[in-house]
Amino acid sequence: DTEVTQTPKHLVMGMTNKKSLKCEQHMGHRAMYWYKQKAKKPPELMFVYSYEKLSINESVPSRFSPECPNSSLLNLHLHALQPEDSALYLCASSATRANEKLFFGSGTQLSVL
Amino acid sequence: AQSVTQLDSHVSVSEGTPVLLRCNYSSSYSPSLFWYVQHPNKGLQLLLKYTSAATLVKGINGFEAEFKKSETSFHLTKPSAHMSDAAEYFCVVTASGGYQKVTFGTGTKLQVIP
Repeated sequence: DTEVTQTPKHLVMGMTNKKSLKCEQHMGHRAMYWYKQKAKKPPELMFVYSYEKLSINESVPSRFSPECPNSSLLNLHLHALQPEDSALYLCASSATRANEKLFFGSGTQLSVL
Repeated sequence: AQSVTQLDSHVSVSEGTPVLLRCNYSSSYSPSLFWYVQHPNKGLQLLLKYTSAATLVKGINGFEAEFKKSETSFHLTKPSAHMSDAAEYFCVVTASGGYQKVTFGTGTKLQVIP
């Protein structure tokens, strides 16, 4: 199994809603990532988890809250988002943090109204 | 520090003709270089990876790339374009010697004309 699975594929939410994005991999990878991708732009790193611990937060606003319950799961909790947060949110994993190829999920297309 | 420059934001080729997508990089350390492909509304798929072994790297779907240290380049090529190759392509650099943030190029959109 070389897949990274993200749910939901599409999400529409209002600015007062609370929602969560989910990501799962069963490749035994110990590094997991959240990226944000705006249309026609490259992905931008948001968070890195290494061995279930948050190791990098790229100055992401607190309305985004990551969680790594175990080595296979990664969540991104969303609260009080703004319309400019609308984007494709990509989850990725790699064997370790150092210099490994990333396996990406298909993403969650988020629209904030 | 590291950076990656994709020299063309858009490339258009006819089906059956060669593809060349250009990528230049800079890195303070020995880099690892990757090419990823992204089809519309999809995640990114790894095409190939260079990690200081052979300088000519073969990937999936007939793509290959050549690492040229003297030119700091890692251009992606394919002998014959197929309609299914139409997508966005990202060149990515990471550095060895510990964790470095993965750096993406700005992407090249490949259009294949029938």
